[in-house]
Amino acid sequence: AQKVTQAQTEISVVEKEDVTLDCVYETRDTTYYLFWYKQPPSGELVFLIRRNSFDEQNEISGRYSWNFQKSTSSFNFTITASQVVDSAVYFCALSEPYGGSQGNLIFGKGTKLSVKP
Amino acid sequence: DGGITQSPKYLFRKEGQNVTLSCEQNLNHDAMYWYRQDPGQGLRLIYYSQIVNDFQKGDIAEGYSVSREKKESFPLTVTSAQKNPTAFYLCASSIGDVRSSYNEQFFGPGTRLTVL
Repeated sequence: AQKVTQAQTEISVVEKEDVTLDCVYETRDTTYYLFWYKQPPSGELVFLIRRNSFDEQNEISGRYSWNFQKSTSSFNFTITASQVVDSAVYFCALSEPYGGSQGNLIFGKGTKLSVKP
Repeated sequence: DGGITQSPKYLFRKEGQNVTLSCEQNLNHDAMYWYRQDPGQGLRLIYYSQIVNDFQKGDIAEGYSVSREKKESFPLTVTSAQKNPTAFYLCASSIGDVRSSYNEQFFGPGTRLTVL
């Protein structure tokens, strides 16, 4: 069965600290996609990144970086030098084009990040 | 500006009443989705639609209904059969086939429904 686990319910850091948000997924498919979304207090989800199952290269975008490891079924997200504006709920999601979810997104329960000044 | 609009932002309903949540997109996307979010929970899929006049049930469709008469519009009706409708509802859209799961979904600002 498909599943996404974000074990960290809430994380609180002080500004400028680095923080890593964990994401572990379960799937039987060899082809799948992983996503991270940010939900600020306004409520609208904002797309951050997509990664396909055949591309294990890590990615860096400014202060954000993602570590994809198929061996541990993990897709972790690190924010370097966190800022107050990073405070939000972050969701990891899985999509399988040929699996039981029929291409729809399966979301984890989210990690609420609070960055204090 | 292209995007997804949802209205109203806040909605109050008396128990036993049906209520319709609006979702409009001008992104020319084929696929549209409705999700429900409860506190401390991830998003759960209610309904999705790949093309006009076609829609499929998601994981928690009971007590909800949808229509897709126009490409840009995908309204959700929360019926009196939905036993616990108080939640945050998010509409989303994406390019192409629902099975083109490579494509990211774009989300609207959401509607917070409270049953009094």
